[in-house]
Amino acid sequence: AQKVTQAQTEISVVEKEDVTLDCVYETRDTTYYLFWYKQPPSGELVFLIRRNSFDEQNEISGRYSWNFQKSTSSFNFTITASQVVDSAVYFCALSERGNYGGSQGNLIFGKGTKLSVKP
Amino acid sequence: GAGVSQSPSNKVTEKGKDVELRCDPISGHTALYWYRQSLGQGLEFLIYFQGNSAPDKSGLPSDRFSAERTGGSVSTLTIQRTQQEDSAVYLCASSLGGGHTDTQYFGPGTRLTVL
Repeated sequence: AQKVTQAQTEISVVEKEDVTLDCVYETRDTTYYLFWYKQPPSGELVFLIRRNSFDEQNEISGRYSWNFQKSTSSFNFTITASQVVDSAVYFCALSERGNYGGSQGNLIFGKGTKLSVKP
Repeated sequence: GAGVSQSPSNKVTEKGKDVELRCDPISGHTALYWYRQSLGQGLEFLIYFQGNSAPDKSGLPSDRFSAERTGGSVSTLTIQRTQQEDSAVYLCASSLGGGHTDTQYFGPGTRLTVL
């Protein structure tokens, strides 16, 4: 079973539209971290945000916002007033503490959502 | 400061040849990870180095894959007797202390094509 599910494979919007990218995760750990990364056409994964499992506060950074809800195991990402430069593949990832507290911290990635923002 | 660097950026090889991929982590980062990104499998963890500890090789897909990290810094991923299914982008990441709490910063990747 997938531990991180990004159900939207591709999304296409017109510039200035708001768009939400969904992420649902599965873990038995009570201590874990969630991440979002952006992969533009150049290919390099760019870190966007890290959130720990004890902090359910929503976060806003400019046009980006994240909604973390443990009750639904979701960590959704919203881009407000999208721009062409937002076009990229976005990955949600999970890092678990592990049974013995000594997790190596390898990231478990979703399959990614390709966002295309048209002018 | 400088980010994670990887070389070469592209590598084309023939089936059966060995290849070496290099990663230079961010200075001062003790943890280093290798991942593979392919169309069919997405992003997969391969191996993890933390300081002088024995590496976690649990993600390596076969014994043709190996990696080493010299002096706690530069790492080399070696694929022996390459197969066409090894074609992928190989990504390296580093983090300050390792473990599940740290943020990993990624390099630009090496695109490997096995003919």
